[in-house]
Amino acid sequence: NAGVTQTPKFQVLKTGQSMTLQCAQDMNHEYMSWYRQDPGMGLRLIHYSVGAGITDQGEVPNGYNVSRSTTEDFPLRLLSAAPSQTSVYFCASKIAGFSYEQYFGPGTRLTVT
Amino acid sequence: AQTVTQSQPEMSVQEAETVTLSCTYDTSESNYYLFWYKQPPSRQMILVIRQEAYKQQNATENRFSVNFQKAAKSFSLKISDSQLGDTAMYFCAFFYGGSQGNLIFGKGTKLSVKP
Repeated sequence: NAGVTQTPKFQVLKTGQSMTLQCAQDMNHEYMSWYRQDPGMGLRLIHYSVGAGITDQGEVPNGYNVSRSTTEDFPLRLLSAAPSQTSVYFCASKIAGFSYEQYFGPGTRLTVT
Repeated sequence: AQTVTQSQPEMSVQEAETVTLSCTYDTSESNYYLFWYKQPPSRQMILVIRQEAYKQQNATENRFSVNFQKAAKSFSLKISDSQLGDTAMYFCAFFYGGSQGNLIFGKGTKLSVKP
């Protein structure tokens, strides 16, 4: 049981490049989400999904795309990276409904130069 | 809008002493959870303790306890017998039924435990 996995752990991009941050969970969780963590800002929600084929925006969605074709995977796409997207990105998952237990991945540190 | 405020950006405590981290929140919801997460230098988010809003009794997990004041919308974390391994960022977070599971985080408190 791997829990929530994220790849890569570290990434450096040049401005304008594109990339996909991968997130996978093996707990059959309906809910998955992406947060970004910036110094002094806490974690802020980018996008979330309550099931395959269903996604919605969080607090800071601009510059990011998501899709959810399977229950297990929830990739985050940066189409044209900007220095403002330098951050640590966390994926999280939980079962649907009013359950509290949320599982976080180990995070991806992204630097855009 | 729901908000979570942590007013102490940094704190320090001597090993074996007690420290209290503050958190206030704003919501009009009646059914919600409050959490404290620990983030050590490894970056992993670790759930320390949770509190259901409908429970009057304060949650306790070993050396960690909370003081939940629902009317005042306050949720502080007390760490007793502080250990060097408690050095970390601590985030207060909030989750309510209508939020689909989305957590709302405070900006964090950096706690340093000194030998």
